[in-house]
Amino acid sequence: QITLKESGPTVVKPTQTLTLTCTFSGFSLRTGEVGVAWIRQPPGQAPEWLAVIFWDDDKRYSPSLKSRLTIMRDTSRDRVVLTLSDMDPVDSGTYYCARTPRLYEHDSGSSYPGSFDVWGPGTGVTVSS
Amino acid sequence: DIQLTQSPSSLPATVADSVTITCRASQDIRNDLSWYQQRPGKAPKRLIYDASRLQSGVPSRFSGGGSGTVFTLAIMGLQPEDFATYYCLQHNTYPPTFGGGTNVEVE
Repeated sequence: QITLKESGPTVVKPTQTLTLTCTFSGFSLRTGEVGVAWIRQPPGQAPEWLAVIFWDDDKRYSPSLKSRLTIMRDTSRDRVVLTLSDMDPVDSGTYYCARTPRLYEHDSGSSYPGSFDVWGPGTGVTVSS
Repeated sequence: DIQLTQSPSSLPATVADSVTITCRASQDIRNDLSWYQQRPGKAPKRLIYDASRLQSGVPSRFSGGGSGTVFTLAIMGLQPEDFATYYCLQHNTYPPTFGGGTNVEVE
């Protein structure tokens, strides 16, 4: 059974750095074309993709947030960590991690993103002084 | 970024109704589209992937169609547990993007 679970602070102050951990089981980031993505959702809004990391440490970031995001993997503990710096109240919402495959174009061999098949329950973050 | 436009944003319906949600992409995304259901306070749950493939365990009253720039999610015979918000997701190109959502609500 594949499971993921997010953990981290529920409240952070403006300008602080948010650190979230995704702990997963039922799959491995040590081999295979599998990755873990982070997605957030402000209250009442659609989800927004943030970042993804794959087994070979390949990382991709949302262009609009790239300067503030860092994603790392801890393969020995089956965890993925996301940091988001310079937090602002607009960053409040629910943060999810999800499993995702890395896909390849048949002709060029270049990679492109996969869908998100299994999600964690999410963790709520409020940015407030 | 590829924009996804869902319609309608709100869909009043009653149990046993059949409804269809549309998702339009700003450029050709082949069939790199998934549909998700989200109930209040819960994580999104994937229903459809590759535009028309039913996720294991999802009831057959859900079906997806389309390719290129226009996609649909149909629910045939709404059940009480189907009243929720539905999102489309494109994963053809980075960054993956979601549609704005369709709230299927009790009429």
